[in-house]
Amino acid sequence: GENVEQHPSTLSVQEGDSAVIKCTYSDSASNYFPWYKQELGKRPQLIIDIRSNVGEKKDQRIAVTLNKTAKHFSLHITETQPEDSAVYFCAARRPDSGYALNFGKGTSLLVTP
Amino acid sequence: NAGVMQNPRHLVRRRGQEARLRCSPMKGHSHVYWYRQLPEEGLKFMVYLQKENIIDESGMPKERFSAEFPKEGPSILRIQQVVRGDSAAYFCASSPSGNYNEQFFGPGTRLTVL
Repeated sequence: GENVEQHPSTLSVQEGDSAVIKCTYSDSASNYFPWYKQELGKRPQLIIDIRSNVGEKKDQRIAVTLNKTAKHFSLHITETQPEDSAVYFCAARRPDSGYALNFGKGTSLLVTP
Repeated sequence: NAGVMQNPRHLVRRRGQEARLRCSPMKGHSHVYWYRQLPEEGLKFMVYLQKENIIDESGMPKERFSAEFPKEGPSILRIQQVVRGDSAAYFCASSPSGNYNEQFFGPGTRLTVL
């Protein structure tokens, strides 16, 4: 099955700095890579996703890059704000997996004012 | 358009009891997924259902756990004879039939087994 590794497990940055979270996946057949943000006690919410036919996608302060050869993808948050503090999960999906998402273990991001 | 609904939000059971978790997908969504989240862990896939069909239950324990998504009504995740290790947050997600990639999550049910 698909195995998704996520690093770092915790990340602390100053407000205004950039934050980068990296994930690797094991199955080269995976073709969809979403990122979810989960605030304490809340539901995971999709913030950005990328499909395997695209190398980069950007939405305001958030961007995701995908390197299919190396089987890794990254989340980039620029100009971080305290409200960006949350746990971020990456995920990967194999096309033959019945649409199930395989999640990384999460990165706890803390943005300090 | 209401989001994915789950109830109850919190459920306390004693060892050996049964737990029933309900999930109502977003309107127009016919695909439902259940995930389990242990404390400070990621989400682990359990089961994927469409109306009246279990499509993939590869992540669900073979014993004590079952899931259904009837033609009418919510999807149900049922845990029989609960044990302390079943304590976790159980999240349901749904997706529209025409766009199977984006999954929208419910608020979760936090199960505590005493």
